Formats: sequence, structure tokens, C-alpha cells
Amino acid sequence: AQSVAQPEDQVNVAEGNPLTVKCTYSVSGNPYLFWYVQYPNRGLQFLLKYITGDNLVKGSYGFEAEFNKSQTSFHLKKPSALVSDSALYFCAVRDNNNDMRFGAGTRLTVKP
Amino acid sequence: DTAVSQTPKYLVTQMGNDKSIKCEQNLGHDTMYWYKQDSKKFLKIMFSYNNKELIINETVPNRFSPKSPDKAHLNLHINSLELGDSAVYFCASSQVPATYEQYFGPGTRLTVT
Repeated sequence: AQSVAQPEDQVNVAEGNPLTVKCTYSVSGNPYLFWYVQYPNRGLQFLLKYITGDNLVKGSYGFEAEFNKSQTSFHLKKPSALVSDSALYFCAVRDNNNDMRFGAGTRLTVKP
Repeated sequence: DTAVSQTPKYLVTQMGNDKSIKCEQNLGHDTMYWYKQDSKKFLKIMFSYNNKELIINETVPNRFSPKSPDKAHLNLHINSLELGDSAVYFCASSQVPATYEQYFGPGTRLTVT
């Protein structure tokens, strides 16, 4: 069975600093990997995905993620954090059977 | 135009009641989903429905049942509500196949008293 782990419940960074939100996965076959963001009292919003091709994928709001097959990781990154990036971030993995699993979420706090 | 909408946004009810949450998507997607998000923000898939195929998460009690009158709607009906059903329920939709991302509704906060 596939699974996804977000090892950090909370990530704190200062505004202007780079940020990383970690994600590792386990899946048989080719992984389809996604990042979503949830702002307070809102539904999840899609940020970016890796399906195939270039290991570095770029998404909304200046976010990017790097697919690392050997480490089975898909960490979310941004070169310069904004206070408005503060939110809950979910990593998700999907297999060819359309089975979707979400990580437990990581709360990102960007301080001014 | 709202892509995925849910009604109601808030639902407060007593134990033992039966309630429904409605979901509509105007994206032309083939697959719709229901998720439950608990107080710790953990997100769990409950159902996915693709045309005539319903996939049920085996941990979901049979008090929960999805009903799809057409491809654009997937409603969630809950019988005999329990305190533990209190959560935020999200509807989502996506295209097929699995490479497509999901679009989520704004959520319905259910409180069972």
C-alpha cells in the first residue's frame, strides 16, 4: 500500500529566508506526487505536481519541489518566504489505481 | 464562478439525526470525492466516485453513503449521527486519470451535539 510522510508538524522561518517542507513517500510503480496548501477555513488548493520528466517542478506562488527517486522524497521549497505563505501544507501521492493518500500536513509559519 | 461548491458551510445537529451535505462541480470532471478532516487536520478519503464506480474506504461506517444524481453532483448522506462525526467534510473533483490534481470545495463544518 502506498503512503506518504511529512516528518515535521511545524516549520518556522523568517520572512525572506528560504523554506523547505519535507515529504517522503512509498508507492509501488510510478509515483504521482502533489503538494496542496490549505489556508484557514478554506479548502485545499493545488500547488504543483510531479508526474514525469524534470525532477524540479515549479508551481503556484513561487513554490517548487524536487523529486528525488533514490531518496523517495518530494520536498517543497521556496527561495524567499512571505508572511502570506503561512498555512498548512499537504503532500499527497497517487498511484495508477487512482488511490490518493495525503500526508498529515505541515504547518508553516513565516514570521516578519 | 465557483468550481466546487458545498452546502451548507456549517451544520450543527444533534446525535441520532440524519443529515446531508451537497456538492456540485462545474468543471466537467469525471471523478468526485469526499474527505473528512478531523480536529488535528488529518485528511482522510472517504469515497471516490467515477461515473458508475464507487470506491469506498473500508474504514468508513456504513452510516455514510454517497449519492450521485448526475456527474456534476456527489452528495453525502449521514444516518444516525454520532459525536465522533464532528469534523470538516470536503468535496473534491478531478479528471481521470491519476495524473490530474484535485479541486476542493470550501468545506462543511459539521458539529454533532
